[in-house]
Amino acid sequence: SAVISQKPSRDICQRGTSLTIQCQVDSQVTMMFWYRQQPGQSLTLIATANQGSEATYESGFVIDKFPISRPNLTFSTLTVSNMSPEDSSIYLCSVDTTNTGELFFGEGSRLTVL
Amino acid sequence: RKEVEQDPGPFNVPEGATVAFNCTYSNSASQSFFWYRQDCRKEPKLLMSVYSSGNEDGRFTAQLNRASQYISLLIRDSKLSDSATYLCVVRPSYNTDKLIFGTGTRLQVFP
Repeated sequence: SAVISQKPSRDICQRGTSLTIQCQVDSQVTMMFWYRQQPGQSLTLIATANQGSEATYESGFVIDKFPISRPNLTFSTLTVSNMSPEDSSIYLCSVDTTNTGELFFGEGSRLTVL
Repeated sequence: RKEVEQDPGPFNVPEGATVAFNCTYSNSASQSFFWYRQDCRKEPKLLMSVYSSGNEDGRFTAQLNRASQYISLLIRDSKLSDSATYLCVVRPSYNTDKLIFGTGTRLQVFP
């Protein structure tokens, strides 16, 4: 199992600003995953963050909009840049410590952009 | 066609009832299947993996039908605490860690 701490848990931001979400895991993991869950929608993978290399982004997501850092094996950040109301969503980081498909999620960061 | 499709519900059932959810997936090469549970305003958590032979965990039974490309979740003797959204999750292939999530089926159990 894994314990994942995310912050902020929620924030209200102005259009055009940027917000960085932090994710701390209580154990070393090779890959960390960033998901987005928009209201009434499924979880959508934004990118996979590997330590020591650039993140791998899914179709529809780009590094300029969602830059990711992965400075070590227990920590990652996701930045939502130049926010618009369409970015209002829950952002979740997750890890798979057993490589079995069981993802452990942080509690999520609920972002509202005005 | 969505990669993973679920009936969004809600399914409203009385305590003690048996309820079943289905989920279809589009990629016939998909390798691994899971049911996750998500409580309101909480993160998703693994409920159970779905094996080819089917598997049971207490009141919960999951089955896989590869020929028809669907998986199912059966909940017997529903409890109030079973009220949640149940997410169908598929791993498209062995050489990826990516998981595809369905939109979820909402279950509401009433007294």
